[in-house]
Amino acid sequence: QQQVKQSPQSLIVQKGGISIINCAYENTAFDYFPWYQQFPGKGPALLIAIRPDVSEKKEGRFTISFNKSAKQFSLHIMDSQPGDSATYFCAASITGTYKYIFGTGTRLKVLA
Amino acid sequence: GAGVSQSPSNKVTEKGKDVELRCDPISGHTALYWYRQSLGQGLEFLIYFQGNSAPDKSGLPSDRFSAERTGGSVSTLTIQRTQQEDSAVYLCASSPPNQETQYFGPGTRLLVL
Repeated sequence: QQQVKQSPQSLIVQKGGISIINCAYENTAFDYFPWYQQFPGKGPALLIAIRPDVSEKKEGRFTISFNKSAKQFSLHIMDSQPGDSATYFCAASITGTYKYIFGTGTRLKVLA
Repeated sequence: GAGVSQSPSNKVTEKGKDVELRCDPISGHTALYWYRQSLGQGLEFLIYFQGNSAPDKSGLPSDRFSAERTGGSVSTLTIQRTQQEDSAVYLCASSPPNQETQYFGPGTRLLVL
């Protein structure tokens, strides 16, 4: 029940296309859902995060869509660029516990 | 300002040896986390420190793993009698008071031969 399932494992997108990464969870107590971006040789960095009181959050080309009833959330990268090529991790936590449960990651490659 | 720093950046050791990995969190951050990232896997929670409270050690995989945080700042993760399956990237993160965002360091890549 503590797992966060992430798909796909890898994704190849043409420059200018839309990249979509999906995550699903079971524990309904989770109330904070961040996405992290990791470049090779670097630590993960927070990209965008959402709470269940909204169904969508947009920051620039990055959008999180959240479906509370389905217990699913997804990251959409619009107008994908080669510089977006990285590994993306979703995560879930319960406010106050400060313990993240991470998905297994999606390796995104954007072709020039 | 300075981010989370970790040392060494790479460590190669022989099976059975002990290793110490160091983490310097961002100044003023009260929470500190250790994670393990194996090849092709997600981030596995190891241990969490918050201020002067007792650490949450629930993620440590065996009693060969231990961690301490001195003076509420620097933390050391120690792996005793290393095994080949301990080979991974060990990531440290810190958070400011009352905030959930975790700021990660670049990690220590450990290879056990």
